[in-house]
Amino acid sequence: DIQMTQSPSSLSASVGDRVTITCRASQSISGYINWYQQKPGKAPKLLIFYSSALESGVPSRFSGSGSGTDFTLTISSVQPEDFATYYCQQSYKTTYTFGRGTKVDIK
Amino acid sequence: QLRLQESGPGLVKPSETLALTCTVSGGSISTSGNYWGWIRQPPGKGLECIGTVYYQGVTYYNPSLKSRVTISLDTSNNQFSLNLRSVTAADTAVYYCATLTRGEYGPIDSWGQGSLVTVSS
Repeated sequence: DIQMTQSPSSLSASVGDRVTITCRASQSISGYINWYQQKPGKAPKLLIFYSSALESGVPSRFSGSGSGTDFTLTISSVQPEDFATYYCQQSYKTTYTFGRGTKVDIK
Repeated sequence: QLRLQESGPGLVKPSETLALTCTVSGGSISTSGNYWGWIRQPPGKGLECIGTVYYQGVTYYNPSLKSRVTISLDTSNNQFSLNLRSVTAADTAVYYCATLTRGEYGPIDSWGQGSLVTVSS
């Protein structure tokens, strides 16, 4: 099974900071990685798909990159509404495994 | 815009079967190329994909749950369902139904609001 190792597990940031979250796959997944944002009590929301494609309606401060096994989600300038938990997910195999999440909170 | 809504008991006894239904509106579950699936999230923990069913009825299950899971389509009611047998407290979670409309390698692009299921006697 493909394991997704996400880091860090949590981070504190100030409004306007640049935030980077990484995800490493246990085997090559080409570019089949997606990123989601989840707020408490809500379902996850798709942000980025196929490593770097921005979902419709998602602000351009979110971006994704990487291929093979190493991937990055970047928030260029964190806004108050961005404080949430972020998950990566591989869609290379139908087990669709997720990373353990990164909680972004206010410094 | 697809909308998904989970329904089913919020409390299930240990060793019994957890049964949930997802009602789809705004589109047909028979739409070519769509996958329909279930994801769960134990309280305070991360996300786990339970399995998916293709619009033609082919299923894919998480290997760790495969022996206990059945996911199926009900095209007459535009619904799909989850059955998880022999549950234990470890199966307590929020269960989400979801869809992948961009094919097998695509993202999960629509989610239900989630349904908390507690396993307890």
